[in-house]
Amino acid sequence: QVQLEQSGAEVKQPGASVKVSCKASDFIFTTYGISWVRQAPGQGLEWMGWISAYDGNTKYAQKFQGRVTLTTDTSTRTANMELRSLRSDDTAVYYCAIEQYWGQGTLVIVSS
Amino acid sequence: DVVLTQSPLSLPVTLGQPASISCRSSQSLLYSDGNTYLSWFQQRPGQSPRRLIYNISHRDSGVPDRFSGSGSGTDFTLKISRVEAEDVGVYYCMQGTHWPLTFGGGTKVEIK
Repeated sequence: QVQLEQSGAEVKQPGASVKVSCKASDFIFTTYGISWVRQAPGQGLEWMGWISAYDGNTKYAQKFQGRVTLTTDTSTRTANMELRSLRSDDTAVYYCAIEQYWGQGTLVIVSS
Repeated sequence: DVVLTQSPLSLPVTLGQPASISCRSSQSLLYSDGNTYLSWFQQRPGQSPRRLIYNISHRDSGVPDRFSGSGSGTDFTLKISRVEAEDVGVYYCMQGTHWPLTFGGGTKVEIK
């Protein structure tokens, strides 16, 4: 059974950075790409970016270009998403997804 | 960016009755490899999204056969043959043909 385990909730001040991790279990990690999707409170799904675990190739939504960095560590089957210069409207649940598998979500609250 | 327009926004249904959700794309989702990367996701209240359908009509493992997907080019449909109580939630279409990946705005399915 493939599982994606994400890191815990974070509370950050405006202007800070946050790093969310996503660890895959029992998965041929390098075969797939990992998408990151966020969902603001009461809102729909928003695709942020994608990274190939095979070669590190990345694609980002224009909205987040320059502010988000996706990385992977194949030795630990972990994908990471770092979002910088946080604003209050970055408050959301952040998900990682590989094919049909999704993490449980990580709540990031940005508040002073 | 590809815009996916879902309708209706809200869908009250009677248990045991069919339901249908439309997803229209601003441009063709047929990729050069012959595949059409249109997926459907279900998000139950308080849960992570779950992929139901990929490549227009392929059900993911464990998805009940009352869910079916159809369409081509720019017009796609998710059908539930007989709605059950556990089907309550928000349904999203997503395209994976063009970067950036994009989601539809969602359709909320509720029981009458």
